[in-house]
Amino acid sequence: NAGVTQTPKFQVLKTGQSMTLQCAQDMNHEYMSWYRQDPGMGLRLIHYSVGAGITDQGEVPNGYNVSRSTTEDFPLRLLSAAPSQTSVYFCASTSRGGAFFGQGTRLTVV
Amino acid sequence: GQQLNQSPQSMFIQEGEDVSMNCTSSSIFNTWLWYKQDPGEGPVLLIALYKAGELTSNGRLTAQFGITRKDSFLNISASIPSDVGIYFCAGPILTGTASKLTFGTGTRLQVTL
Repeated sequence: NAGVTQTPKFQVLKTGQSMTLQCAQDMNHEYMSWYRQDPGMGLRLIHYSVGAGITDQGEVPNGYNVSRSTTEDFPLRLLSAAPSQTSVYFCASTSRGGAFFGQGTRLTVV
Repeated sequence: GQQLNQSPQSMFIQEGEDVSMNCTSSSIFNTWLWYKQDPGEGPVLLIALYKAGELTSNGRLTAQFGITRKDSFLNISASIPSDVGIYFCAGPILTGTASKLTFGTGTRLQVTL
């Protein structure tokens, strides 16, 4: 009963490096999204997808890319990491009953 | 962007006390969601509200969908130490054909023995 699985849980990057945060869900939800969480700012939407092949920007999309080739997977890519992207990242899979979150990826960019 | 304002920002209460927090918006919502986040974990859905005036309970938690559809309230009765965490309200904002789930800034709850 996995739900939403995020990897890795922790990551340290140097400025300018690239990486992909993985997210997979096994609930067959069409809607998936990525949030970042910073102290005192709650959860801010980065990108979301309403189904395979369809993605759109959220509130803070700059510096991030996404793709959705399958219903199950929704990876988030940082092409050139910056210190301002130090944050905790959450992937969510959504049905009418609400959004179900992964355990998060704590990313530090030095 | 759309903001959901939560209050209070933080609370320190004693075990056994009741807790109230609320969430307000300048726009109308058709759904209100309440989440709890434990340290180091992702948010977990507590209660979902779908109808103005609706009052829904989940154990010691009770949430209400405000009549104006611009606010929601969460009450916790007889608090216990495991209630510690951050509580978020959330609601979907319809943009085009899709909905974006927007979160409040959270209420941090601390429970002392």
